[in-house]
Amino acid sequence: KNQVEQSPQSLIILEGKNCTLQCNYTVSPFSNLRWYKQDTGRGPVSLTIMTFSENTKSNGRYTATLDADTKQSSLHITASQLSDSASYICVVSGQAGTALIFGKGTTLSVSS
Amino acid sequence: EPEVTQTPSHQVTQMGQEVILRCVPISNHLYFYWYRQILGQKVEFLVSFYNNEISEKSEIFDDQFSVERPDGSNFTLKIRSTKLEDSAMYFCASGGSGIPTGELFFGEGSRLTVL
Repeated sequence: KNQVEQSPQSLIILEGKNCTLQCNYTVSPFSNLRWYKQDTGRGPVSLTIMTFSENTKSNGRYTATLDADTKQSSLHITASQLSDSASYICVVSGQAGTALIFGKGTTLSVSS
Repeated sequence: EPEVTQTPSHQVTQMGQEVILRCVPISNHLYFYWYRQILGQKVEFLVSFYNNEISEKSEIFDDQFSVERPDGSNFTLKIRSTKLEDSAMYFCASGGSGIPTGELFFGEGSRLTVL
């Protein structure tokens, strides 16, 4: 069954600190992996999209990595800000079909 | 910056009633999607729509649901005979190119509360 698992479920860090969120997936065949940021009560906003051949992609203070062999991805946030407080969702797309498979997300809280 | 807009932002309805959620996708996009998110749970795919036809639908998208593109700009999700378990945030998304490779832009969502 195609699944996306994320860890940790929630995370609290101090402003200015770095953190890394994890994603494991079992989607096969695999097309690409996306990271979204979702503020409470808002729609998801895309951070990165990585295809099978990409190992890393950055978007400002966000850096995503992908290991397609082990089916793992991580999202690293550098120098966190209060506005980074949100749910970060790992989303995987297979090679066929139009349905994206969402993880449950990691809820990040950045405190001052 | 172009964005996907959804209305209403929040709708409260009685069980058994019909609701229509509306979406205005980004103007030059051709691929449209509906997703839902029950409170505290993950986002779930409902249906994808391209060229005025449903491309794919999930098990959730049964006869209770329907989608339409009534004109060139709007994309609607109709839910008939609403049930308590239909209470969720419903997200519309659009893309200029299709999944699996295309970027997807989500609206802010319509929160449906069924009493």
